[in-house]
Amino acid sequence: EIVLTQSPDTLSLSPGERATLSCWASQSISRYLAWYQQKPGQGPRLLIYDASKRATGIPARFSGSGSGTDFTLTISSLEPEDFAVYYCQHRGNWPLTFGGGTKVEIK
Amino acid sequence: QVQLVESGGGVVQLGRSLGLSCAASGVTFSDYGMHWVRQAPGKGLEWVAMIWHNGKNKYYADSVKGRFTVSRDDSKNTLFLQMNSLRAEDTGVYYCATDIGSGYPDSWGQGTLVTVSS
Repeated sequence: EIVLTQSPDTLSLSPGERATLSCWASQSISRYLAWYQQKPGQGPRLLIYDASKRATGIPARFSGSGSGTDFTLTISSLEPEDFAVYYCQHRGNWPLTFGGGTKVEIK
Repeated sequence: QVQLVESGGGVVQLGRSLGLSCAASGVTFSDYGMHWVRQAPGKGLEWVAMIWHNGKNKYYADSVKGRFTVSRDDSKNTLFLQMNSLRAEDTGVYYCATDIGSGYPDSWGQGTLVTVSS
């Protein structure tokens, strides 16, 4: 099973600031990584897939990068609606797994 | 627009069974693989199971293998999860999600809460 480790656990930032979230895989997963956003009481929303491709309707301020074992989600300028929990997920092999999540909170 | 509505959650005793459903609309259901993902209270996401668009292949997390069964009825645009021998650690919100073939759950429902109690 591939283990995904996210860092940091919590990111405290102000609106307008840049957010950088990390996800490390326990073995190489090429570019088979997605990022999701989840707000309280809601199902997750797919943001990024295949490491850097934005899903339909996702604003350009969200970008993803990385390959192999190291991945990054960047939010270039935080909007009020971006404060949420973010998860990474791989599709390298079965079983699929998620990272533990990073909470982006208002400073 | 895709709409997924999960149902069937509730309180169930340890060791008993429960069946969940996920009704899909706004999509050609038979074109999509489908996932179940769960979330324990206050915790992160855990992938549970996946069934291909044609139902020929199914995959399970080790934690549920042999106890849970995923199935689908394309004539009713509905996904199912039969859960047997339930444990306390199966407690959580269960989400269904579509997969167009990418391997990533892309559209998600709002979830249904399962509570396993002693």
